Amino acid sequence: DGGITQSPKYLFRKEGQNVTLSCEQNLNHDAMYWYRQDPGQGLRLIYYSQIVNDFQKGDIAEGYSVSREKKESFPLTVTSAQKNPTAFYLCASSPKDNYGYTFGSGTRLTVV
Amino acid sequence: AQSVAQPEDQVNVAEGNPLTVKCTYSVSGNPYLFWYVQYPNRGLQFLLKYITGDNLVKGSYGFEAEFNKSQTSFHLKKPSALVSDSALYFCAVRDPFFNTNAGKSTFGDGTTLTVKP
Repeated sequence: DGGITQSPKYLFRKEGQNVTLSCEQNLNHDAMYWYRQDPGQGLRLIYYSQIVNDFQKGDIAEGYSVSREKKESFPLTVTSAQKNPTAFYLCASSPKDNYGYTFGSGTRLTVV
Repeated sequence: AQSVAQPEDQVNVAEGNPLTVKCTYSVSGNPYLFWYVQYPNRGLQFLLKYITGDNLVKGSYGFEAEFNKSQTSFHLKKPSALVSDSALYFCAVRDPFFNTNAGKSTFGDGTTLTVKP
C-alpha cells in the first residue's frame, strides 16, 4: 500500500542532544513538508521541499534542519538549539497538482 | 500572506443533528481551500477541497463544505452527525504556486467536534 511512514512514534531527547525524525513516502509525491503541532496552536510549518536537493524554511525553522537527498525521504533533525522541542511532529507529502496532503501518523518528541 | 481562522475552539452537537464547523480565510488571489480531520495521536486525513467550480463541495464520510467568496468563508457541514464524527477538524489554505512555494499550506488552529449520543 502506498503511504507515508514516520518513525519512531515516540522519541525522548535529553538536554543538549540532537535527534532525527524519519519520514519516508512511496507515493511518488514531489513535495514534502514538516509541521509541528502544539495544543491549541494548530500546525506550524517548519521546512518544506518541492524537489530533491532543495528545501526552504517555513515559519518556525530555527533549531531544526532537514535534507532531501532522495525523493522518498525527508528527515528532520531537531538540534540542541531548539529550546522547546516537546511537540507532535507531522510529516506530509503532496503531488504537484492541488490535491490534499497525505500525512504520516506523527512522532511525539519529549524532552527529558 | 495567506491565513485561515477557525473562530470556535469547540463545537458540540447531538447525534442526528446537523453540524457546522466554521472557517474564514484571507488570501491574495483565488483560494485553494481544504478540510482535514485528526483523530487522537494520529496524522491528519484529507476530507475535501475547493479549487474552482461549484460552491458546494462534497467529501469523505458524508461531509460537505460551502465556499462563499463574498464572506471569505469555507464552512464544513454535515446533515446528520454521528458519534464517530467526534474529532479535531482543521481548515487549511494552500499556496497555488507550486514551483515557488511547493504548494505549502497554512492551517487554522483546529476545532474540536464532539457529537453526543
